[in-house]
Amino acid sequence: NAGVTQTPKFRVLKTGQSMTLLCAQDMNHEYMYWYRQDPGMGLRLIHYSVGEGTTAKGEVPDGYNVSRLKKQNFLLGLESAAPSQTSVYFCASSTAQGTEQYFGPGTRLTVT
Amino acid sequence: RKEVEQDPGPFNVPEGATVAFNCTYSNSASQSFFWYRQDCRKEPKLLMSVYSSGNEDGRFTAQLNRASQYISLLIRDSKLSDSATYLCAVNEGEYGNKLVFGAGTILRVKS
Repeated sequence: NAGVTQTPKFRVLKTGQSMTLLCAQDMNHEYMYWYRQDPGMGLRLIHYSVGEGTTAKGEVPDGYNVSRLKKQNFLLGLESAAPSQTSVYFCASSTAQGTEQYFGPGTRLTVT
Repeated sequence: RKEVEQDPGPFNVPEGATVAFNCTYSNSASQSFFWYRQDCRKEPKLLMSVYSSGNEDGRFTAQLNRASQYISLLIRDSKLSDSATYLCAVNEGEYGNKLVFGAGTILRVKS
């Protein structure tokens, strides 16, 4: 099993450009999450999903949108990138509420 | 007050030493607690889950103190390879389906 995978691994965007980050998991997990990690601030939850077709806002959702059309995939979109969105983005999944989460390798995004 | 707080460190210890980190949390209703290890420029990887009073796995022991609302991680006989950032995570949310992470504690084990 590949576990949790993320594409792309690296990306550089110009301010105002859009992009989509893809997260895929092959563990049949119900829950999926998107985090951003910035120096000194730890992991912050952007959006999450408790099942196919559902999404919910996390701690820092502004400027991002998500979709969970298939159980195994969770997409994170940036419609108009801003330099403040320069960060490392991690996707994670878990079997059920309150259980351990498993992370993908991350996407390093730079917005200039 | 932050929901989950950790001493950022760094903790600089010699090989073979015993080191302990604490993590305090603010939500008394939290039921699940985790320690993750994160190497530089890598993803967090689950180290231990702490569902009741504690858990032990080899050189690593995690304990939960509900009365004082903290979890601890004890590493015995530190190895150079233990050098990493250690993140604690606590479940939150209306249905307990979110984890809130601390900012992490840096451990450096030196020869």
